[in-house]
Amino acid sequence: DTAVSQTPKYLVTQMGNDKSIKCEQNLGHDTMYWYKQDSKKFLKIMFSYNNKELIINETVPNRFSPKSPDKAHLNLHINSLELGDSAVYFCASSLALAGQETQYFGPGTRLLVL
Amino acid sequence: SQQGEEDPQALSIQEGENATMNCSYKTSINNLQWYRQNSGRGLVHLILIRSNEREKHSGRLRVTLDTSKKSSSLLITASRAADTASYFCATHPALGGGADGLTFGKGTHLIIQP
Repeated sequence: DTAVSQTPKYLVTQMGNDKSIKCEQNLGHDTMYWYKQDSKKFLKIMFSYNNKELIINETVPNRFSPKSPDKAHLNLHINSLELGDSAVYFCASSLALAGQETQYFGPGTRLLVL
Repeated sequence: SQQGEEDPQALSIQEGENATMNCSYKTSINNLQWYRQNSGRGLVHLILIRSNEREKHSGRLRVTLDTSKKSSSLLITASRAADTASYFCATHPALGGGADGLTFGKGTHLIIQP
Protein backbone atom coordinates (compact mmCIF):
# COMPACT_ATOMS: atom_id res chain seq x y z
CA ASP A 1 0.00 0.00 0.00
CA THR A 2 1.21 3.46 -0.86
CA ALA A 3 2.01 5.44 2.27
CA VAL A 4 2.10 8.96 0.82
CA SER A 5 0.55 9.49 -2.59
CA GLN A 6 0.37 12.53 -4.82
CA THR A 7 -1.62 13.36 -7.91
CA PRO A 8 -0.95 14.17 -10.61
CA LYS A 9 2.51 12.76 -11.21
CA TYR A 10 3.12 15.20 -14.07
CA LEU A 11 1.51 18.57 -14.67
CA VAL A 12 2.18 20.73 -17.71
CA THR A 13 0.33 24.02 -17.86
CA GLN A 14 0.42 27.56 -19.20
CA MET A 15 1.64 30.58 -17.32
CA GLY A 16 -1.16 32.36 -15.50
CA ASN A 17 -3.25 29.26 -14.87
CA ASP A 18 -4.39 28.03 -11.45
CA LYS A 19 -3.66 24.43 -10.54
CA SER A 20 -3.88 22.08 -7.57
CA ILE A 21 -1.78 19.14 -6.46
CA LYS A 22 -3.30 16.58 -4.13
CA CYS A 23 -1.60 14.64 -1.37
CA GLU A 24 -2.89 11.84 0.80
CA GLN A 25 -1.21 9.80 3.51
CA ASN A 26 -2.54 6.58 5.02
CA LEU A 27 -0.02 6.40 7.84
CA GLY A 28 -2.18 8.07 10.46
CA HIS A 29 0.39 10.85 10.80
CA ASP A 30 -0.46 14.17 12.39
CA THR A 31 1.85 16.40 10.39
CA MET A 32 2.14 16.96 6.66
CA TYR A 33 4.52 19.05 4.59
CA TRP A 34 5.09 20.43 1.14
CA TYR A 35 8.60 20.75 -0.29
CA LYS A 36 9.83 22.21 -3.58
CA GLN A 37 12.81 20.69 -5.40
CA ASP A 38 14.32 22.93 -8.05
CA SER A 39 16.23 21.99 -11.19
CA LYS A 40 19.46 21.74 -9.19
CA LYS A 41 17.81 19.21 -6.86
CA PHE A 42 17.73 21.64 -3.95
CA LEU A 43 14.83 20.77 -1.63
CA LYS A 44 13.18 23.51 0.36
CA ILE A 45 10.36 23.36 2.88
CA MET A 46 7.28 25.34 1.86
CA PHE A 47 4.70 24.52 4.52
CA SER A 48 4.08 22.30 7.47
CA TYR A 49 0.56 21.57 8.73
CA ASN A 50 -0.33 20.02 12.06
CA ASN A 51 -3.70 19.89 13.79
CA LYS A 52 -5.07 22.70 11.69
CA GLU A 53 -2.02 24.81 12.42
CA LEU A 54 -0.29 26.01 9.30
CA ILE A 55 3.29 27.17 9.44
CA ILE A 56 4.42 28.94 6.34
CA ASN A 57 7.92 29.47 5.10
CA GLU A 58 8.05 33.21 4.71
CA THR A 59 9.77 33.00 1.36
CA VAL A 60 6.82 31.22 -0.25
CA PRO A 61 4.68 33.57 -2.39
CA ASN A 62 1.08 33.92 -1.31
CA ARG A 63 0.04 32.48 -4.67
CA PHE A 64 0.67 29.14 -2.98
CA SER A 65 -1.99 28.01 -0.53
CA PRO A 66 -2.19 24.65 1.19
CA LYS A 67 -5.62 23.27 2.01
CA SER A 68 -6.31 20.41 4.40
CA PRO A 69 -9.81 18.94 4.30
CA ASP A 70 -8.81 16.39 6.95
CA LYS A 71 -5.75 15.01 8.72
CA ALA A 72 -4.92 12.61 5.89
CA HIS A 73 -4.91 15.17 3.11
CA LEU A 74 -2.90 18.29 2.35
CA ASN A 75 -3.49 19.77 -1.07
CA LEU A 76 -1.45 22.54 -2.66
CA HIS A 77 -3.21 25.18 -4.71
CA ILE A 78 -1.19 27.52 -6.89
CA ASN A 79 -2.67 30.67 -8.41
CA SER A 80 -1.34 32.57 -11.42
CA LEU A 81 1.42 30.12 -12.22
CA GLU A 82 4.79 31.56 -13.22
CA LEU A 83 7.69 30.06 -15.14
CA GLY A 84 9.75 29.92 -11.96
CA ASP A 85 7.20 27.64 -10.35
CA SER A 86 8.45 24.80 -12.56
CA ALA A 87 9.88 22.25 -10.17
CA VAL A 88 9.14 18.96 -8.48
CA TYR A 89 6.81 19.28 -5.51
CA PHE A 90 6.98 16.69 -2.77
CA CYS A 91 4.45 16.04 -0.08
CA ALA A 92 5.63 14.40 3.13
CA SER A 93 4.22 13.37 6.47
CA SER A 94 5.53 12.54 9.91
CA LEU A 95 4.07 11.16 13.09
CA ALA A 96 4.55 14.32 15.07
CA LEU A 97 5.51 17.92 14.71
CA ALA A 98 8.92 19.33 15.45
CA GLY A 99 10.81 17.12 13.05
CA GLN A 100 11.66 14.57 15.71
CA GLU A 101 10.41 11.81 13.53
CA THR A 102 11.20 10.37 10.16
CA GLN A 103 9.43 12.05 7.28
CA TYR A 104 7.83 9.91 4.60
CA PHE A 105 7.80 11.40 1.14
CA GLY A 106 5.42 11.04 -1.74
CA PRO A 107 6.70 10.30 -5.26
CA GLY A 108 6.59 13.93 -6.31
CA THR A 109 4.63 15.98 -8.81
CA ARG A 110 6.65 17.34 -11.72
CA LEU A 111 5.24 20.72 -12.64
CA LEU A 112 6.24 22.41 -15.87
CA VAL A 113 4.95 25.90 -16.56
CA LEU A 114 5.17 26.99 -20.19
CA SER B 1 21.05 30.18 3.82
CA GLN B 2 21.49 26.50 3.11
CA GLN B 3 21.80 24.37 6.21
CA GLY B 4 23.23 21.06 5.04
CA GLU B 5 25.94 20.83 2.46
CA GLU B 6 27.05 17.48 1.16
CA ASP B 7 30.51 16.69 -0.04
CA PRO B 8 31.42 15.53 -2.61
CA GLN B 9 28.77 16.70 -5.05
CA ALA B 10 29.35 13.58 -7.13
CA LEU B 11 31.12 10.31 -6.45
CA SER B 12 31.80 7.40 -8.79
CA ILE B 13 33.19 4.13 -7.45
CA GLN B 14 33.42 0.49 -8.43
CA GLU B 15 30.88 -2.02 -7.20
CA GLY B 16 32.05 -3.59 -3.97
CA GLU B 17 33.96 -0.53 -2.79
CA ASN B 18 32.90 1.63 0.14
CA ALA B 19 31.35 5.05 -0.43
CA THR B 20 31.68 7.90 2.04
CA MET B 21 29.68 11.09 1.88
CA ASN B 22 29.98 14.04 4.21
CA CYS B 23 27.53 16.67 5.34
CA SER B 24 28.17 19.94 7.14
CA TYR B 25 25.60 22.19 8.71
CA LYS B 26 25.53 25.57 10.38
CA THR B 27 23.08 25.75 13.27
CA SER B 28 22.38 23.57 16.30
CA ILE B 29 20.19 20.61 15.48
CA ASN B 30 17.73 18.18 17.09
CA ASN B 31 18.56 15.46 14.64
CA LEU B 32 20.15 14.78 11.28
CA GLN B 33 18.66 12.45 8.72
CA TRP B 34 19.95 10.88 5.52
CA TYR B 35 17.69 10.26 2.55
CA ARG B 36 18.18 8.56 -0.80
CA GLN B 37 16.57 9.68 -4.04
CA ASN B 38 16.66 7.51 -7.11
CA SER B 39 16.42 9.30 -10.43
CA GLY B 40 12.91 10.62 -11.00
CA ARG B 41 11.61 9.23 -7.72
CA GLY B 42 10.72 10.47 -4.25
CA LEU B 43 12.96 10.48 -1.22
CA VAL B 44 13.44 7.41 0.91
CA HIS B 45 14.48 7.74 4.52
CA LEU B 46 17.68 5.87 5.38
CA ILE B 47 18.64 6.73 8.90
CA LEU B 48 18.04 9.31 11.64
CA ILE B 49 20.69 10.22 14.19
CA ARG B 50 19.83 12.41 17.16
CA SER B 51 22.05 15.18 18.45
CA ASN B 52 23.07 13.13 21.50
CA GLU B 53 24.18 10.17 19.39
CA ARG B 54 27.59 9.80 17.76
CA GLU B 55 27.19 6.77 15.53
CA LYS B 56 24.42 4.66 14.14
CA HIS B 57 24.29 1.57 11.94
CA SER B 58 21.63 0.16 9.66
CA GLY B 59 22.59 -2.77 7.48
CA ARG B 60 25.41 -1.62 5.19
CA LEU B 61 24.97 1.98 6.31
CA ARG B 62 26.99 3.68 9.00
CA VAL B 63 26.31 7.28 10.02
CA THR B 64 28.43 9.39 12.32
CA LEU B 65 27.62 12.74 13.85
CA ASP B 66 30.07 15.25 15.28
CA THR B 67 28.10 18.12 16.76
CA SER B 68 31.26 19.99 17.75
CA LYS B 69 32.27 20.15 14.09
CA LYS B 70 28.67 20.34 12.86
CA SER B 71 29.28 17.48 10.47
CA SER B 72 28.02 14.02 9.64
CA SER B 73 29.18 11.23 7.39
CA LEU B 74 27.36 8.42 5.64
CA LEU B 75 29.31 5.29 4.82
CA ILE B 76 27.89 2.66 2.49
CA THR B 77 29.91 -0.52 2.63
CA ALA B 78 30.21 -3.12 -0.12
CA SER B 79 28.41 -0.91 -2.62
CA ARG B 80 26.00 -2.34 -5.18
CA ALA B 81 24.77 -1.03 -8.51
CA ALA B 82 21.38 -0.47 -6.89
CA ASP B 83 22.97 2.07 -4.52
CA THR B 84 23.31 4.47 -7.45
CA ALA B 85 21.23 7.48 -6.39
CA SER B 86 21.45 10.95 -4.89
CA TYR B 87 21.97 11.08 -1.14
CA PHE B 88 20.79 14.01 0.94
CA CYS B 89 21.41 14.98 4.50
CA ALA B 90 18.64 16.89 6.23
CA THR B 91 18.63 18.63 9.55
CA HIS B 92 15.99 19.74 11.98
CA PRO B 93 17.05 22.85 13.86
CA ALA B 94 17.17 22.90 17.65
CA LEU B 95 15.54 26.30 17.75
CA GLY B 96 12.05 26.77 16.43
CA GLY B 97 10.73 29.24 13.94
CA GLY B 98 9.69 28.96 10.33
CA ALA B 99 7.96 25.98 8.75
CA ASP B 100 8.74 22.98 10.89
CA GLY B 101 10.27 20.84 8.20
CA LEU B 102 13.72 19.58 7.40
CA THR B 103 16.47 21.60 5.78
CA PHE B 104 18.15 19.68 3.00
CA GLY B 105 21.54 19.98 1.38
CA LYS B 106 22.05 19.75 -2.37
CA GLY B 107 22.98 16.10 -2.22
CA THR B 108 25.76 13.81 -3.33
CA HIS B 109 25.17 11.96 -6.57
CA LEU B 110 26.63 8.47 -6.17
CA ILE B 111 27.33 6.28 -9.18
CA ILE B 112 28.30 2.66 -8.67
CA GLN B 113 30.13 1.26 -11.69
CA PRO B 114 29.46 -2.46 -12.26
